[in-house]
Amino acid sequence: EAGVAQSPRYKIIEKRQSVAFWCNPISGHATLYWYQQILGQGPKLLIQFQNNGVVDDSQLPKDRFSAERLKGVDSTLKIQPAKLEDSAVYLCASSSYPLIAGTGDREQFFGPGTRLTVL
Amino acid sequence: KNEVEQSPQNLTAQEGEFITINCSYSVGISALHWLQQHPGGGIVSLFMLSSGKKKHGRLIATINIQEKHSSLHITASHPRDSAVYICAVPPEGGSEKLVFGKGTKLTVNP
Repeated sequence: EAGVAQSPRYKIIEKRQSVAFWCNPISGHATLYWYQQILGQGPKLLIQFQNNGVVDDSQLPKDRFSAERLKGVDSTLKIQPAKLEDSAVYLCASSSYPLIAGTGDREQFFGPGTRLTVL
Repeated sequence: KNEVEQSPQNLTAQEGEFITINCSYSVGISALHWLQQHPGGGIVSLFMLSSGKKKHGRLIATINIQEKHSSLHITASHPRDSAVYICAVPPEGGSEKLVFGKGTKLTVNP
């Protein structure tokens, strides 16, 4: 079974530039998560999709971050404009939860991450 | 909000040693996750457990629901075990979302 794919793996940009990350979840997984992990900290949830709808984006800095999952499969996360404090690893994860009536495995499967450096 | 505390923050061991990493949380949960993150950044799910003990190769995870505590053990540690080990639990009130600990950085020297 193919895992969660992310690209690019690394990105270096200057502050005020724009950047986009792409994620392709495991086939059939309804739920997709984007996390931000700053060095030395645990991942922080930015946004959670269930199919193509947003379940939780309460910690997404909406003035500069946006994300979409238009067809309920792959997703993009964009930062515009980037700030120095956005330097982090951006992780995408997916899970099969929920399938029908709350069934499905709550285990999350993570992609390799995109390491962003903002100079 | 579920608070997750991991200890130690950093751990250095010699190859072959038995390793224990601890995780405590503040609110009752349905399941706890142990994750492994290598220097490249990608995260691998090691265990998801709701009670008792699980074993996979040299890795053993235990959980005590009453004490709100879990441990991850590595037997016969090897340099390739060097990674950050992260404990994650659902937030207060349940749900499939996760609250992550800050991680324990393990270095195993040959």
